[in-house]
Amino acid sequence: GEDVEQSLFLSVREGDSSVINCTYTDSSSTYLYWYKQEPGAGLQLLTYIFSNMDMKQDQRLTVLLNKKDKHLSLRIADTQTGDSAIYFCAESIPSGTYKYIFGTGTRLKVLA
Amino acid sequence: GAGVSQSPSNKVTEKGKDVELRCDPISGHTALYWYRQRLGQGLEFLIYFQGNSAPDKSGLPSDRFSAERTGESVSTLTIQRTQQEDSAVYLCASSQRDRGGLGYTFGSGTRLTVV
Repeated sequence: GEDVEQSLFLSVREGDSSVINCTYTDSSSTYLYWYKQEPGAGLQLLTYIFSNMDMKQDQRLTVLLNKKDKHLSLRIADTQTGDSAIYFCAESIPSGTYKYIFGTGTRLKVLA
Repeated sequence: GAGVSQSPSNKVTEKGKDVELRCDPISGHTALYWYRQRLGQGLEFLIYFQGNSAPDKSGLPSDRFSAERTGESVSTLTIQRTQQEDSAVYLCASSQRDRGGLGYTFGSGTRLTVV
């Protein structure tokens, strides 16, 4: 079946690292994504990783993928107050639609 | 336009009324998606349009929901006889077909409240 799970809340202090975790169930996923949603705004693609990779780094963002455990994580280094938002992981199902299955989102709160 | 535009941004309607939500995709994006986001939940796929191909309607929750798109332009999502459980944010996204899932650009959504 198709299911993506995330913890609902994470609170960190400014300057610390944040780690947001996600588990998925469809082993045929081709891409996995992290999206950021700020209040009143749509979803913004932060980064993505191909399913044949296990790590991707993009400035302050590090994505780790464990295909065996179907576990995806997003690490934000030196977290800033502007990083406060809801973070969604999503998997792309290999069909003609390229539809995504989204997680419930993790609300990240950064304390000054 | 520069981004995906959705209107209205907020809609309050009485139970039983019909509503129509509009999405203007990015020019040149052949694919258009509708998603629903209920409070505290993830995004739920509703429908997908790709050019002039038959749409993928597999996510529509009931026959009260329908959507149209003419060519590669504006799309409208219609909900008939609205129910309170239809209250959610309805998000539209568009992409270039050849980029598959990598090119989604989301609009800011329409927040629908059924009272």
